Amino acid sequence: EIVLTQSPGTLSLSPGERATLSCRASQSVSSNYLAWYQQRPGQAPRLLIYGASSRATDIAGRFSGSGSGTDFTLTISRLEPEDFAVYYCHQYASSPLTFGGGTKVEIK
Amino acid sequence: EVQLVESGGVLVQPGGSLRLSCAASGFSLSTYNMNWVRQAPGKGLEWVSYINTDSTTVYYADSVKGRFTISRDNAKNSLYLQMNSLRDEDTAVYYCARAYSGGWLIGYWGQGTLVTVSS
Repeated sequence: EIVLTQSPGTLSLSPGERATLSCRASQSVSSNYLAWYQQRPGQAPRLLIYGASSRATDIAGRFSGSGSGTDFTLTISRLEPEDFAVYYCHQYASSPLTFGGGTKVEIK
Repeated sequence: EVQLVESGGVLVQPGGSLRLSCAASGFSLSTYNMNWVRQAPGKGLEWVSYINTDSTTVYYADSVKGRFTISRDNAKNSLYLQMNSLRDEDTAVYYCARAYSGGWLIGYWGQGTLVTVSS
């Protein structure tokens, strides 16, 4: 099983600032099958990034993903009010599919 | 527009059984792999089960293996999760989730249905 560890647990930032979220895998994620999801309170998760760096349909350009192997990063270039939420990384390379524990981006 | 609507979540006693349903619309279910993912109150996401387009391949998380069964009826555009021998730790919102395109990537989620296991 691939264990995903996200850091930090909470990120306190102001609107307009840059957010950098990390996801580390316990073993290499083949084909960089690593995705990022955003979950706002009371809502279902929403796919942001797949294949480590490809933006999903209708996702704003301020969201970008990078990384390979075991280390991946989600960057939000300039935080908008609606970006304050919890973010999860997810590997879909092998069963069991696994998620990271999440990073909460909160307003400072 | 892709829509996934879960139903069947209720309060059930430990050891009980429940069947969740997911009604799909806006696309043909037969074309996509499907999953169930759950989220315990205040916790993160946990993948539960996967089924491919023609039901020939299914996978389960170790935590539910032998107790839960995933199935689908493409003619009815519906996905199911039969849950037996329920435990307190199965309490969660259960999401029906569709593949983004092919493969295992989850691209679309329903709004979830709450299952509460308690005496």
